[in-house]
Amino acid sequence: GAVVSQHPSRVICKSGTSVKIECRSLDFQATTMFWYRQFPKKSLMLMATSNEGSKATYEQGVEKDKFLINHASLTLSTLTVTSAHPEDSSFYICSALGRNTGELFFGEGSRLTVL
Amino acid sequence: GEDVEQSLFLSVREGDSSVINCTYTDSSSTYLYWYKQEPGAGLQLLTYIFSNMDMKQDQRLTVLLNKKDKHLSLRIADTQTGDSAIYFCAESPGGGNKLTFGTGTQLKVEL
Repeated sequence: GAVVSQHPSRVICKSGTSVKIECRSLDFQATTMFWYRQFPKKSLMLMATSNEGSKATYEQGVEKDKFLINHASLTLSTLTVTSAHPEDSSFYICSALGRNTGELFFGEGSRLTVL
Repeated sequence: GEDVEQSLFLSVREGDSSVINCTYTDSSSTYLYWYKQEPGAGLQLLTYIFSNMDMKQDQRLTVLLNKKDKHLSLRIADTQTGDSAIYFCAESPGGGNKLTFGTGTQLKVEL
């Protein structure tokens, strides 16, 4: 079946550094990808919608300068957490919408820990 | 309110049936979903139901939908230890692909 891969699966960084997380659709093209954030023992909160070749649409309360999203191709979207702080520590999950099938597939998630 | 509500915990014995409940908010949701999340992992789509259906059965899984009450449930028959995970219901407001997730139910299966 269709697979969405996230990399890295785990990352630890120092406060003040930037971290990039990749979301790839491995065997299908995705015109739209979604980025979610999950706090411990909490639900997933949609951060932004990423459309290939255009600017991402951010949900209310999400800082677009803090969480940079790039969707440069039909198989790759990236989320960059800039000047990370400990409160940015979280589990980030992407999902990809199949261009031809309209099906939605989720990645395995990336756990970010900011020291 | 805006939240999709689920009970936080459910504990069952192996072999029993599990019923996980969800109250959603948006009556325009075309599809309603159930996802499973194992520890440290992403989301796995278990099943979904179209909004004009009352029930859907898929092997050990049965989804019941009460549109009037905006209530969705997932029944897992013959629950196994491998079913231990967090289960999220999700709605698709306006019928789109931006999902709103429930708060998640932690299912613990005991021997």
